[in-house]
Amino acid sequence: KQEVTQIPAALSVPEGENLVLNCSFTDSAIYNLQWFRQDPGKGLTSLLLIQSSQREQTSGRLNASLDKSSGRSTLYIAASQPGDSATYLCAVPGGSGGYQKVTFGTGTKLQVIP
Amino acid sequence: EAQVTQNPRYLITVTGKKLTVTCSQNMNHEYMSWYRQDPGRGLRQIYYSMNVEVTDKGDVPEGYKVSRKEKRNFPLILESPSPNQTSLYFCASSLSSRYQPQHFGDGTRLSIL
Repeated sequence: KQEVTQIPAALSVPEGENLVLNCSFTDSAIYNLQWFRQDPGKGLTSLLLIQSSQREQTSGRLNASLDKSSGRSTLYIAASQPGDSATYLCAVPGGSGGYQKVTFGTGTKLQVIP
Repeated sequence: EAQVTQNPRYLITVTGKKLTVTCSQNMNHEYMSWYRQDPGRGLRQIYYSMNVEVTDKGDVPEGYKVSRKEKRNFPLILESPSPNQTSLYFCASSLSSRYQPQHFGDGTRLSIL
């Protein structure tokens, strides 16, 4: 069964700092990996999706990398801003359950201090 | 506007009273899925559907039913709700879970007393 871990569970950084969020998965037979942000009391907003054949994806100040062989993905946020404060989740379709089954990490709660 | 719509957004009810949470998407997506989110447990998949009349269990299907009679709708049914089903529920859809990103609804907060 696929297991997805996100470390750290919480992170507090001063504004302007570059930071890295980590996502690890146990079964490398994945089809893609998706990063989301969740604001308090809100739904999930898709940030980036990396296909299993890709190494990285970029959107603005965000860059996500994927290393299937080591079971890891990182989300890099450049020049963090207070508006980046949210919980960041990674999601992985795949593993032995097939691509229809999606496993989420428990998230990293980010606070960017002005 | 492309969106996934869930109703109701909030519901407080009592044990054993059947309820349905509706989910509708306007993007002609084939794949739809239900999740529940609990503190410390993250999001867990309840059921998913690959297309009309095609549904299957996720990781935590006990106590839930779903149906997919139309492509746009994927209701979640709790036939005899219990307090351990108190949670935040999300519906999501995508063109293909294999290659395309999932789009989420705003969530339904259920409290079962």
